[in-house]
Amino acid sequence: DQQVKQNSPSLSVQEGRISILNCDYTNSMFDYFLWYKKYPAEGPTFLISISSIKDKNEDGRFTVFLNKSAKHLSLHIVPSQPGDSAVYFCAARKGGSQGNLIFGKGTKLSVKP
Amino acid sequence: EAGVVQSPRYKIIEKKQPVAFWCNPISGHNTLYWYLQNLGQGPELLIRYENEEAVDDSQLPKDRFSAERLKGVDSTLKIQPAELGDSAVYLCASSLTRERESGYEQYFGPGTRLTVT
Repeated sequence: DQQVKQNSPSLSVQEGRISILNCDYTNSMFDYFLWYKKYPAEGPTFLISISSIKDKNEDGRFTVFLNKSAKHLSLHIVPSQPGDSAVYFCAARKGGSQGNLIFGKGTKLSVKP
Repeated sequence: EAGVVQSPRYKIIEKKQPVAFWCNPISGHNTLYWYLQNLGQGPELLIRYENEEAVDDSQLPKDRFSAERLKGVDSTLKIQPAELGDSAVYLCASSLTRERESGYEQYFGPGTRLTVT
């Protein structure tokens, strides 16, 4: 049973436009959400996070939106750059001292020049 | 500041052979994680250490996998004997604290790509 779902395996966007990556989750006990970016042959790199008590968090070109009622979050990248081309993983943490990160399968973003 | 270091980066072994992976976390990070990442999947937790104590090893296949974190710093993950299905990337990650105020970010190493033939 997949608790964190990224239903789009891939996304292609033109340079300068907005990239929107989506993530759905099923467990209402998740209290913290993170996005990671992964280049080939490298480990995932932390990008941005959001607590369940917020609905938006911005960091430069990256904004994460959380809709708790829909159990949905999205990552917006504006403007998209070719260097943003990577696999993006959504991760969620269950509250409590034993909470670990549960990752989605990832979405491969390609930004075309 | 140095990141998480893992070695080897690549390993090819025959099935039934043993293999070991090594991880050196970011200095001062008390929490260390080992993850398994299959092709087309996200990382899946195998084991989590708080200092030298394994606090969550519920996903570690203990019949063939073992791990240790002596002195609460470096860690090794071992597979004995390896099976064909163990071919994957093994990722190590570390974090400074697990408090909400500091965030729950984990910092990953580059991983070890294991191929079992």
